[in-house]
Amino acid sequence: LAKTTQPISMDSYEGQEVNITCSHNNIATNDYITWYQQFPSQGPRFIIQGYKTKVTNEVASLFIPADRKSSTLSLPRVSLSDTAVYYCLVGPSNTGKLIFGQGTTLQVKP
Amino acid sequence: DTAVSQTPKYLVTQMGNDKSIKCEQNLGHDTMYWYKQDSKKFLKIMFSYNNKELIINETVPNRFSPKSPDKAHLNLHINSLELGDSAVYFCASSQGQADQPQHFGDGTRLSIL
Repeated sequence: LAKTTQPISMDSYEGQEVNITCSHNNIATNDYITWYQQFPSQGPRFIIQGYKTKVTNEVASLFIPADRKSSTLSLPRVSLSDTAVYYCLVGPSNTGKLIFGQGTTLQVKP
Repeated sequence: DTAVSQTPKYLVTQMGNDKSIKCEQNLGHDTMYWYKQDSKKFLKIMFSYNNKELIINETVPNRFSPKSPDKAHLNLHINSLELGDSAVYFCASSQGQADQPQHFGDGTRLSIL
């Protein structure tokens, strides 16, 4: 199973761009990279998914280098409401399931 | 409209009891999941059903029995509850299997006294 490593916590201030990097050295050819966001007392919410290069949607951008051994979630101009836990996942390859790591707790300060 | 809804939101009960958690999704998805999130916030998949058929069954005690009466519902029944079962249980659904975005419910917080 492809394991992911991401920082346990990050702090930022309102209006800043936040980049959260995830390492996944054992990513398989068929694996996608997916990011979820979780607020307290809520279920995770899908943010973005990519396979290679760059993906952008209305919420975030996902940068994936050519070797795909890492990925970076970029949140432009964060606000207090972006305070949450962000999970990086790779999969499902041959297992048919996604493995959630411990996530990165992002604290946005005023 | 709530896409994935779980009931109850909170469940407090004593050791040894049997309880059920219900999950319904109105997204028309064909795959549903149960996850367990422990106190350290790790989310672990327990079960996955595709069109009412069990496709993932992790190493979960057989006291946990999922039931899918139709593809819009996946209920979780737990027998002989133990202290270690205390956690937040999340239901999720997706169209297709795990490479598709999953939509999660808001969880059921189970507390065993």
